[in-house]
Amino acid sequence: EPEVTQTPSHQVTQMGQEVILRCVPISNHLYFYWYRQILGQKVEFLVSFYNNEISEKSEIFDDQFSVERPDGSNFTLKIRSTKLEDSAMYFCASSEAQGGQPQHFGDGTRLSIL
Amino acid sequence: KNEVEQSPQNLTAQEGEFITINCSYSVGISALHWLQQHPGGGIVSLFMLSSGKKKHGRLIATINIQEKHSSLHITASHPRDSAVYICAPRRDFGNEKLTFGTGTRLTIIP
Repeated sequence: EPEVTQTPSHQVTQMGQEVILRCVPISNHLYFYWYRQILGQKVEFLVSFYNNEISEKSEIFDDQFSVERPDGSNFTLKIRSTKLEDSAMYFCASSEAQGGQPQHFGDGTRLSIL
Repeated sequence: KNEVEQSPQNLTAQEGEFITINCSYSVGISALHWLQQHPGGGIVSLFMLSSGKKKHGRLIATINIQEKHSSLHITASHPRDSAVYICAPRRDFGNEKLTFGTGTRLTIIP
């Protein structure tokens, strides 16, 4: 069965550094999402992306965050100047179409900011 | 007040028991996901439903849109069912983001 794949599985970065988290959504999916889960807390929505542009973003998704689909397969989340509080598990998800289609999740990238 | 409330927060049961996890939400939704999160952190989508009931193996999910309530049932529970189960409603059509509950940690004892 097709899967959403995320790399790396664990990323350790110094505070202030830029980090790029990578996702390969399921190939025929058109809608893409990033979520994050701080340790011990619930999963939170960050951003949704469709047709090469952001369709919705949360208040968490401030100017230090950006998303990109640089080619036909990858979907990336960039954090420009990481802070300690960015430490979390980041999940990518994709869905085939809007309305009525389930979202499929990757296994996540654990981001640790030192 | 949280938009999504799950109960119980923690549940420990003996192998073979029938399990029910409840989810109540306060906003209008178009559909609801039930997700499973294992200790390693990965999330698996179990169901997406917008009305009635769905069944997959030993798992059954029901939803009552009018009452803003959904339940996940596990029949003949097994230790491998031990995980965190998360309810995640999707808002009205045109808004695809999921809003997550805090999860129910299920432990099945052999």
